[in-house]
Amino acid sequence: NAGVTQTPKFRILKIGQSMTLQCAQDMNHNYMYWYRQDPGMGLKLIYYSVGAGITDKGEVPNGYNVSRSTTEDFPLRLELAAPSQTSVYFCASSRIAGGPLNEQFFGPGTRLTVL
Amino acid sequence: KNQVEQSPQSLIILEGKNCTLQCNYTVSPFSNLRWYKQDTGRGPVSLTIMTFSENTKSNGRYTATLDADTKQSSLHITASQLSDSASYICVVRPLNNNDMRFGAGTRLTVKP
Repeated sequence: NAGVTQTPKFRILKIGQSMTLQCAQDMNHNYMYWYRQDPGMGLKLIYYSVGAGITDKGEVPNGYNVSRSTTEDFPLRLELAAPSQTSVYFCASSRIAGGPLNEQFFGPGTRLTVL
Repeated sequence: KNQVEQSPQSLIILEGKNCTLQCNYTVSPFSNLRWYKQDTGRGPVSLTIMTFSENTKSNGRYTATLDADTKQSSLHITASQLSDSASYICVVRPLNNNDMRFGAGTRLTVKP
């Protein structure tokens, strides 16, 4: 199993540009998540999905959009990139949401810089 | 104020030495508490998980403790190795909420 994969690993955007961060998992997990990690801060939840066709906002959703057309894929869309979106983005998945078996498996991350 | 506070922010130790990382949280009630290890340039990987009724959990040279009364957890690393150099993140899941609370992490550097 490849686990959780993310592309690209690095990206530099100009202000106002758009891009999609790709995330895929091959563990047949229902739950998928997008986080951002800023220096000196804990991971912040952007969006999450409990299954194909279902998405919901997390703590910091502004400026982002997601879709979940399949169980495997959960892309994150930035429509009008701003410097405040410079961060490292992590995608994660879990088999269930609650309880002791709710381990989230993380992808390797995408480092995004907006100039 | 973050609901999960970790200390110290960073720590440097010599190979072979022990160390203890701290996590204080205000999340209540909570379902479980995990410690993750995050190598540079990688995503976090789970080390241990404890429910509110557990006091200690070991995973090789890593031992996590939990005091639910004082809302404190610690991660003790024994006989450190160079490969232990990483960030260690404490994560608390609220009981009735799927939104986990992440600490900012402790950056551990093990030097030869």
